[in-house]
Amino acid sequence: EAGVTQSPTHLIKTRGQQATLRCSPISGHTSVYWYQQALGLGLQFLLWYDEGEERNRGNFPPRFSGRQFPNYSSELNVNALELEDSALYLCASRLDKLWNTDTQYFGPGTRLTVL
Amino acid sequence: GQQVMQIPQYQHVQEGEDFTTYCNSSTTLSNIQWYKQRPGGHPVFLIQLVKSGEVKKQKRLTFQFGEAKKNSSLHITATQTTDVGTYFCGIQSGTYKYIFGTGTRLKVLA
Repeated sequence: EAGVTQSPTHLIKTRGQQATLRCSPISGHTSVYWYQQALGLGLQFLLWYDEGEERNRGNFPPRFSGRQFPNYSSELNVNALELEDSALYLCASRLDKLWNTDTQYFGPGTRLTVL
Repeated sequence: GQQVMQIPQYQHVQEGEDFTTYCNSSTTLSNIQWYKQRPGGHPVFLIQLVKSGEVKKQKRLTFQFGEAKKNSSLHITATQTTDVGTYFCGIQSGTYKYIFGTGTRLKVLA
């Protein structure tokens, strides 16, 4: 069974540009989460998508947005990039909540560098 | 809102020594998950605890869920250099939010 995949692995942008990050969940998982992990820091919750809907978002400005497609893959968009957006962006997926498990399975991440 | 505190933030041990990290919640939990993130890697699921007082073992790792389901611990016996990394606990917070502890960064000195 394939795990969570993310692309690209690395992304280098300049301040003010826009970045698009992609995530494909494990087959059968309908929930996708996005997290930001700045260097040496913890995991900051960004967004949660389930069944194509945005269910919740963390304390991030509106220039962080995303969507979930009918095949449950997801896209994270960051507009008007700022230097402090440089971080590892992690995507995680979870089995349908009917399975009574909250376990998240992470992809390898996209390392975004803003110059 | 619900919070989960994880201690210690850092731990340096000599190889062969034991290590423990703790997660404490402000509210009663339905379950808790533990993850490990190797340096340069991504978090990897280790285990889920569900029952009050539950104890689970994975080789040298022992996971425990408190009787009140408000705290949990991860204990590593006789650490090895392969144990290096950051250990996170994670909990469901409300219907559509999942939060992680701040993590404990473990360094093992050979």
